[in-house]
Amino acid sequence: SQQGEEDPQALSIQEGENATMNCSYKTSINNLQWYRQNSGRGLVHLILIRSNEREKHSGRLRVTLDTSKKSSSLLITASRAADTASYFCATMIYNQGGKLIFGQGTELSVKP
Amino acid sequence: GAGVSQSPSNKVTEKGKDVELRCDPISGHTALYWYRQSLGQGLEFLIYFQGNSAPDKSGLPSDRFSAERTGGSVSTLTIQRTQQEDSAVYLCASSFFPGELFFGEGSRLTVL
Repeated sequence: SQQGEEDPQALSIQEGENATMNCSYKTSINNLQWYRQNSGRGLVHLILIRSNEREKHSGRLRVTLDTSKKSSSLLITASRAADTASYFCATMIYNQGGKLIFGQGTELSVKP
Repeated sequence: GAGVSQSPSNKVTEKGKDVELRCDPISGHTALYWYRQSLGQGLEFLIYFQGNSAPDKSGLPSDRFSAERTGGSVSTLTIQRTQQEDSAVYLCASSFFPGELFFGEGSRLTVL
């Protein structure tokens, strides 16, 4: 089964609303990363949070990490139609070098 | 170069033929990753190279798949005797360990 699993699989909101996506994982990690993908091609890195960090912010993005629950969340505030994309979490597994395992993703649709 | 470059961007082949997919990582990046993504799915880890260490091949789906990285730079993913289930987008990424990944735009493989 996947190391990272995301919830929900799909999310549809109105412009201006906040979007929250969750990621759960199974084994210890070095860090957790969030990526965005438009149109099924290359992914773009959004934010990296290390295992000893609990929260990070970048612009309208807020990421939290709870290592005791093995979970993370990505919050996008004041969403825009341009935020429509697929969002993936990825975990760098502890003691496996730099191996990075991706979840199945959340498909976000922001309606104008 | 400015980013990760993959070629070809699209490849159509007949079942049973061999294919080679190329990845030119960002200069100086020590880590290189290959992933596979089927339509509407998440990223499936294939293989990971880090510096001069032995690659992590744990994600290669069968012995028809192989990859090499020459001179710590360019990588080639080879699929022998292609099958229809090999049809997917193959994504390459590079990074400084253990940081964010920079992705290429992918190679879309269609096996007829």
